[in-house]
Amino acid sequence: EDKVVQSPLSLVVHEGDTVTLNCSYEVTNFRSLLWYKQEKKAPTFLFMLTSSGIEKKSGRLSSILDKKELFSILNITATQTGDSAVYLCAPTSSNTGKLIFGQGTTLQVKP
Amino acid sequence: NAGVTQTPKFQVLKTGQSMTLQCAQDMNHEYMSWYRQDPGMGLRLIHYSVGAGITDQGEVPNGYNVSRSTTEDFPLRLLSAAPSQTSVYFCASSSPGMGNQPQHFGDGTRLSIL
Repeated sequence: EDKVVQSPLSLVVHEGDTVTLNCSYEVTNFRSLLWYKQEKKAPTFLFMLTSSGIEKKSGRLSSILDKKELFSILNITATQTGDSAVYLCAPTSSNTGKLIFGQGTTLQVKP
Repeated sequence: NAGVTQTPKFQVLKTGQSMTLQCAQDMNHEYMSWYRQDPGMGLRLIHYSVGAGITDQGEVPNGYNVSRSTTEDFPLRLLSAAPSQTSVYFCASSSPGMGNQPQHFGDGTRLSIL
């Protein structure tokens, strides 16, 4: 059975801190892993990772995938209050487009 | 460019009523999926489709039906609503191809069953 585990489930930090969010997975016919940020509404896309060891960056956010150890991390440096959200990781299965979501990590950034 | 459009945005039903949640996308995406999200949980897959005429069950399909008669539309039907189906429902679409493009989500339908 496909499984995705995110840790920690929740995190409270202060502005300027650096955080690391973890995602481990077991998925049949793995193809890629996606990270999403969810505030009040629908998830918004952050990163898609398909190759091990290649870091993807977007501003203060970065992510990397380890296909051998079956995990991914999402780093956020110099956190801001606008980073407060639920962060979801979702591996995809080949040829179906379906995502298997973890429970998410709720990040709260205090001023 | 409308993207993925879900209607209605909010709905209150009585136990036993039926209804259809609509989902339409204008990006010519082959893949479409329905998810539900309950408090404190990630999104759980209900049904998905890899193309017109093809659907399959996800993680939590019981109590829901889908059909995919066109590429654009993927309605979700609740046959006999139950309080356990109170949730926020998201529809998503994506296109296969190089790298398997990320899914685009609709804004969600908040459904309450009394």
